[in-house]
Amino acid sequence: KQEVTQIPAALSVPEGENLVLNCSFTDSAIYNLQWFRQDPGKGLTSLLLIQSSQREQTSGRLNASLDKSSGRSTLYIAASQPGDSATYLCAVQTDSWGKFQFGAGTQVVVTP
Amino acid sequence: NAGVMQNPRHLVRRRGQEARLRCSPMKGHSHVYWYRQLPEEGLKFMVYLQKENIIDESGMPKERFSAEFPKEGPSILRIQQVVRGDSAAYFCASSPGNSYEQYFGPGTRLTVT
Repeated sequence: KQEVTQIPAALSVPEGENLVLNCSFTDSAIYNLQWFRQDPGKGLTSLLLIQSSQREQTSGRLNASLDKSSGRSTLYIAASQPGDSATYLCAVQTDSWGKFQFGAGTQVVVTP
Repeated sequence: NAGVMQNPRHLVRRRGQEARLRCSPMKGHSHVYWYRQLPEEGLKFMVYLQKENIIDESGMPKERFSAEFPKEGPSILRIQQVVRGDSAAYFCASSPGNSYEQYFGPGTRLTVT
């Protein structure tokens, strides 16, 4: 059974520092991995999708890497800003139908 | 291109009533997924539908819950005889195919009193 773990559960950094968020999964036979952001009381915003054949994806200040063999993905956010404060969720696509299994999330606070 | 739409955004029901949650996928998307986020818990998959078909309902409780995605109109998640434990945020996601990026709606927050 696939399990998705996100460490740390919470993180507080001063503005300008780089953020490193970790996601691990127990079964390397995944289809895709997607990172999301969730603001309090709101829906999910897609950040990056990494297909199983890819090693990384980049969008602006965000970079996500994927190492299937070791069951890990890392989301890097460069030069953090207070607006980056949110919960970041990692989701692994576990079968060909496309359903995701989510981690519990990392709650990030960026202080001015 | 409007995003995934869900309504209502907030729904209050008394125990024993029925709750109907609606999801309109993004234009051109024929795959719909429903997830539930219980208080202080992560998102859990409930059901995956394509037009007029339920493909995977392995995450749906066996009783009181049903879902449909008719040929015309939105996808509907129906909860009969709601109980307090059904209080949660229900999210719908859509995609153009089953290995594509999923786009989430804003969610429906159900409160059972």
